[in-house]
Amino acid sequence: DQQVKQNSPSLSVQEGRISILNCDYTNSMFDYFLWYKKYPAEGPTFLISISSIKDKNEDGRFTVFLNKSAKHLSLHIVPSQPGDSAVYFCAASPSGNEKLTFGTGTRLTIIP
Amino acid sequence: GAVVSQHPSRVICKSGTSVKIECRSLDFQATTMFWYRQFPKQSLMLMATSNEGSKATYEQGVEKDKFLINHASLTLSTLTVTSAHPEDSSFYICSARDTRYEQYFGPGTRLTVT
Repeated sequence: DQQVKQNSPSLSVQEGRISILNCDYTNSMFDYFLWYKKYPAEGPTFLISISSIKDKNEDGRFTVFLNKSAKHLSLHIVPSQPGDSAVYFCAASPSGNEKLTFGTGTRLTIIP
Repeated sequence: GAVVSQHPSRVICKSGTSVKIECRSLDFQATTMFWYRQFPKQSLMLMATSNEGSKATYEQGVEKDKFLINHASLTLSTLTVTSAHPEDSSFYICSARDTRYEQYFGPGTRLTVT
């Protein structure tokens, strides 16, 4: 049972444009969400997070939006750069529990 | 920033042998470490939670006698894959949690069982 889903396995975006990566979850107990970036044969690198008390969190070129009623979050990267090409995972955890449940990942390719 | 290392980065072993993977937090103390595995083009799946000085907590479906976890100190956790089979071939990743409850991931270990 995949509780965190990333329905787009891949996404290609032109350099300079906005990249939007989507994530849906089913477990209503999740209230803390994170995005990680991963290169092949490396561990994930933390990008940005958001708790359920907020609907938006911004850090430089990265913004995460959370829609609790739709159980949906998205990561916006603008402007997209070639170095952003990687696999992006969203992850979620319930309140007071540090266990992370990861989505299946979206491979983002930025086209120069 | 917080750095987590894993050793080895890549290992090939024969069926039936055991392999030990080390996970170290280099510049912070981690009372809790996590072990994940990732199959090609799939998500990271949590295998177990490792707490310093106590027994690890395994996720459902993970054999604790096959995947032995030892969290000997605040900076070191080890995962031993015992009696390895080809289906154990995977990418194993650890993470360490700091006092702010942030998780930092190691670079991973590619295990190939022949």
